[in-house]
This record gives sequence, C-alpha cells and structure tokens, in this order.
Amino acid sequence: DAKTTQPPSMDCAEGRAANLPCNHSTISGNEYVYWYRQIHSQGPQYIIHGLKNNETNEMASLIITEDRKSSTLILPHATLRDTAVYYCIGLPGGGSYIPTFGRGTSLIVHP
Amino acid sequence: GAVVSQHPSWVICKSGTSVKIECRSLDFQATTMFWYRQFPKQSLMLMATSNEGSKATYEQGVEKDKFLINHASLTLSTLTVTSAHPEDSSFYICSAFGWDQPQHFGDGTRLSIL
Repeated sequence: DAKTTQPPSMDCAEGRAANLPCNHSTISGNEYVYWYRQIHSQGPQYIIHGLKNNETNEMASLIITEDRKSSTLILPHATLRDTAVYYCIGLPGGGSYIPTFGRGTSLIVHP
Repeated sequence: GAVVSQHPSWVICKSGTSVKIECRSLDFQATTMFWYRQFPKQSLMLMATSNEGSKATYEQGVEKDKFLINHASLTLSTLTVTSAHPEDSSFYICSAFGWDQPQHFGDGTRLSIL
C-alpha cells in the first residue's frame, strides 16, 4: 500500500464544506486512492475511491491532483454527524486488497 | 449497497469464558473476510484473514489457538475468543468484499472481560 500522510485533526463549521487533504507521493500507477471514515464506536464506512479522475457520489467528492501525489476529500455541506476519523488509503484496484489504516484525520464539525 | 452485519454489538463476560462473534455478508458472497482489532484511540489492526472452506491466515503476533476463526459458508465467518481475559477486551471489527466492490465493514463488537 502507498504511504499516505494526513493532518491529525481538523475542524469545520456545520453547513460549510470540509476539505480533507491527503499526501500520497509514493502511490504507484495501479493504486487507487480510497477514503473511509470511522464514527466513534462504529466500523469504518467506505466513502469514495478514485484512480486519477475526480469522483463524486452522494457522500462526497474526491479531487486528485494531476500528478496523483495528493488528493482532497470534500464534504460539501458538513453536518454534526460527519464528525469522525477519516482515512486515506492507497490500494490496488478491486476489493480484494486489505486496507491498512494509519492514524487518519479526526474531523470535528461544530455548530 | 453491500452490507456486512456483525453480532453481537456488545458483550460483557467473565474471565475464562469463550465468546463467539459472527460476521455476515447480507447481500453478497464473500470468499474472504477479515478480522480487525482496535484499542482505544488507536487505529485498526488486522488480526487474520478468513477464507471460506480453508484455514484462516493470522498476522504475526496473533495467537491462532486464542482467536479461532471459522468460515463455513460464503456469507458467514465467526471469531471465537477462547478463555478470554481482561487483556482481550477490545473492539473487534470484521470486513468483507464482494466481486469488484470495496471493502465493507461491520459495525464492530465491543468485548469487555471482567
């Protein structure tokens, strides 16, 4: 898995966009960028993944730089329920590879 | 989307007893499931890989006789913590994937050994 670097913590006001950065300068050509989050006392939840194109789903948007060395997860309108630890992981394509979780970013959304 | 169900969500038991945790894939077949362990304020650590119809593969430092894994069907894997002691108290999480899908995780089991 590619080594990823994330800020340990961030905060965001409710209703505003939360932009969570991730550096993955050693990512290889066949590795996707995956994002998971873990709300307190729950299992991790898959959010989104991408290879080189920007991606959007009902939960978030993923912006990947052209050189693929970094990406940003965007929660367009953060709510209090988005308070969680967010993990950025580099993995080969397909679901058969095991995510290795680092420390992630603890996002606190405040009123 | 794919859903993984884990049961029980919370269990308290006396030291020396054995505890079984179930992990089910609800709408897809999972030939492989994974078991993780998480201590407070720490990240998830992979314990073992559970393969349907064969023996589990354990990570270094995980006692296979302590943590028994059975994957008898394509939708069910079980983790049994044998002769549990207070140091086994932790948050146990399973995950699984369907064909061409990302990993999906159960909601975890909080185990407290008194």
